[in-house]
Amino acid sequence: AQKITQTQPGMFVQEKEAVTLDCTYDTSDQSYGLFWYKQPSSGEMIFLIYQGSYDEQNATEGRYSLNFQKARKSANLVISASQLGDSAMYFCAMREGGKAGNMLTFGGGTRLMVKP
Amino acid sequence: DGGITQSPKYLFRKEGQNVTLSCEQNLNHDAMYWYRQDPGQGLRLIYYSQIVNDFQKGDIAEGYSVSREKKESFPLTVTSAQKNPTAFYLCASSIVNRGLNTEAFFGQGTRLTVV
Repeated sequence: AQKITQTQPGMFVQEKEAVTLDCTYDTSDQSYGLFWYKQPSSGEMIFLIYQGSYDEQNATEGRYSLNFQKARKSANLVISASQLGDSAMYFCAMREGGKAGNMLTFGGGTRLMVKP
Repeated sequence: DGGITQSPKYLFRKEGQNVTLSCEQNLNHDAMYWYRQDPGQGLRLIYYSQIVNDFQKGDIAEGYSVSREKKESFPLTVTSAQKNPTAFYLCASSIVNRGLNTEAFFGQGTRLTVV
């Protein structure tokens, strides 16, 4: 089974509007962390936001917020007031507390395209 | 500035050849990782290392080898046994601790093409 599922291969959003990128995850661990990364066309991975499984508040970082619904195992990224520079690939990732190695497991990504 | 440097940015390899991708970090991170990314897809873990002289296989280690002789360096060799090596390779590093919120820092990637 996929650990991280991103069901939207591509998304369009009008500049200045908000957009939600979906992410669902699968883990039997009680302790885990969820991350979102942005990958521009240049290829580097840019960390955006983090949500811990025990965090009661949804994480926010500037125009980014995370809609964390633990019971549904979803961690959707919300980008408010989209900008042209937001056009990129977006990846959801998870770190499981019970798994050795400290590594991140990634979803397949969503390509966001912002229209002027 | 602290960061992760991958070289080269583009690499072309003939079939049957081994090739080594470089990854160096000056962040003083204990853990280093290699991921492979195919077009339009997510990242898959090849190898990781949490300490010098020790490394572990990830999900797709077949056809790859690594070494970790220095804390700063984690080179990846793509061997001739790797059936489909054309991909984008990303190196990452992170602090090793008990906190789950430790982000991984990534290099700029190496795009490998078999010709």
